[in-house]
Order: sequence, then C-alpha cells, then structure tokens
Amino acid sequence: NAGVTQTPKFRILKIGQSMTLQCAQDMNHNYMYWYRQDPGMGLKLIYYSVGAGITDKGEVPNGYNVSRSTTEDFPLRLELAAPSQTSVYFCASTLLEGEAFFGQGTRLTVV
Amino acid sequence: DQQVKQNSPSLSVQEGRISILNCDYTNSMFDYFLWYKKYPAEGPTFLISISSIKDKNEDGRFTVFLNKSAKHLSLHIVPSQPGDSAVYFCAASDGGGADGLTFGKGTHLIIQP
Repeated sequence: NAGVTQTPKFRILKIGQSMTLQCAQDMNHNYMYWYRQDPGMGLKLIYYSVGAGITDKGEVPNGYNVSRSTTEDFPLRLELAAPSQTSVYFCASTLLEGEAFFGQGTRLTVV
Repeated sequence: DQQVKQNSPSLSVQEGRISILNCDYTNSMFDYFLWYKKYPAEGPTFLISISSIKDKNEDGRFTVFLNKSAKHLSLHIVPSQPGDSAVYFCAASDGGGADGLTFGKGTHLIIQP
C-alpha cells in the first residue's frame, strides 16, 4: 500500500518554464489537496478536490492549475514559473473528516 | 491574519520529561483539530486529533487538550523520547474539513539526551 505518491522529489525550473507536479493515491480517497510550505511557515492550501471532476481554489491558488479526471490522480500545473513559487509542495488525501495522508513532498526551486 | 497560531518556534525538553506544545486559534467555526509531526525531507504524518465536543483525547504517550472558551489546545508528550524530535504542526478544520486544513507555523521540538 503506497499511500500518497508524489513525483518528482526535486526540481529546478527557470523563470517562465512550466511543469506538472504529479500526485497519486491508492486509498480510494475522495478528497485530495495541494499545499505549499515556505521556510518557517505552515502549510498553505493551493487547491483541493472533493471528487473526480470537481476542484476548487484554496488560500493561495494564483499561478497554479489543477485537474481531477480520476479518483487516484491530482496533478498540479505551474504554467509560468516565478521565483515566488520556490517552495516545498505537499499533496494529501483523506476520506472525509479525519487524518489527511501526505506525500513526501516536491522541493521546487525557480531560478 | 493567522487563524492558527503556534507562538513557540522551538522547544527544548530533556529526555524522559514532559513536552507541552501549544496552539491558539481565532476562528470560532473550527470544530476539529489535529496534530501532525514532520521529520526533515518527509511529509507530515498524523499524530492525534480532537473534536470540539471533547476536551481531551489520549493515545499512548500523546494527549491533546482542548479549551474552547480560550480557543487553545495543547499537545502533551509523556515521557519524551529522542525520536520525538521533529516539527509539530497544529491544524484545524470546520464543517468536516472537506475544504482542507488550516495549519500553524509549527514548533520544532528538540529532545535533549
């Protein structure tokens, strides 16, 4: 049982480049989330999804897009990378109220 | 404006003693609270939670206390062990938490031998 799997673990992007952070869960969870964590800060919600085909903005959605075509996958897209998007990104999933399971994170640096 | 506050960035405790981590919140709609533990280069892992209908929840060495009138919760770890050294995040949700958790900035707990 892999839980929540994120790829890649590390990535360096140049300003203006685009990339997709992948997230997959095998627990059949309906709810999935993308958070970012900046140094010395807590996790902030970027986007979330309550089921396939349904997504919604979180606290810090600007510069990101998501899609949820299946229950298992919830990719996060950065279209025009900016230095302010340098952060550690965490994907999480949960059944409903209760503990969220997190992936190991993707450390992204934009230069 | 931070809705979940952890005012101590770090805390140093001797092995075997009690560790007390504190968390305050401002949003009265929060009805479910969680503590997560995070090691470097790993994702947060769930530790313990408490619903607003309770004032205490215990799981082994970990106990969470909730004081709704003060909008305050605390995590007690007894006895503290070296493996407890990590960053601890307090998180809160309202209405079932479907729209995500609100996190504090975290407290780095260091257990001294």
